[in-house]
Amino acid sequence: GDSVTQMEGPVTLSEEAFLTINCTYTATGYPSLFWYVQYPGEGLQLLLKATKADDKGSNKGFEATYRKETTSFHLEKGSVQVSDSAVYFCALSGGGSEKLVFGKGTKLTVNP
Amino acid sequence: NAGVTQTPKFRILKIGQSMTLQCAQDMNHNYMYWYRQDPGMGLKLIYYSVGAGITDKGEVPNGYNVSRSTTEDFPLRLELAAPSQTSVYFCASSQPSGLASHEQYFGPGTRLTVT
Repeated sequence: GDSVTQMEGPVTLSEEAFLTINCTYTATGYPSLFWYVQYPGEGLQLLLKATKADDKGSNKGFEATYRKETTSFHLEKGSVQVSDSAVYFCALSGGGSEKLVFGKGTKLTVNP
Repeated sequence: NAGVTQTPKFRILKIGQSMTLQCAQDMNHNYMYWYRQDPGMGLKLIYYSVGAGITDKGEVPNGYNVSRSTTEDFPLRLELAAPSQTSVYFCASSQPSGLASHEQYFGPGTRLTVT
């Protein structure tokens, strides 16, 4: 079945550091790929998405590129802020299904 | 718009008790979902619904039941609570459109402890 593997956390960075959170997937066909963010005490909210190969999703300074050849969708940000501290989930939906398959999540802490 | 709302926010149950977690959305979305989130394990789909009167099992349905009598509401029922059901429960909704999958909108969650 479909699956998502993302890098183990937690990740701790200083403010203004560069962030990469790796995400790879296994799926049949051409899934849509998502990054969701969960701030402390809240539900998940969509951060960005890409629906076909080579698409780049971007939002709030974060970006991720759908790489079909490496089955990856790594999340990057050039300069993180304390307010980016949260848990980040990579997810996919495929085969025409609206159901999401989530990775285990990566907790990011940004220190001032 | 309220989006997706869930009640209660917190609940402590004794083993064997029953309860219903409420979920409502005001976006007229056809699809609704229930997930549980365990530490370090991501989110697992419990049940989902593609419209009023239609429900289906997800990855971890045992010990739960759902109903979908209206588009707006999608309650989750725990009949005989067990410690293994201690978790944070999230409800979500989405509205499919065309070929591209659309985002799911999540509620704030219900933190349930079974002791």
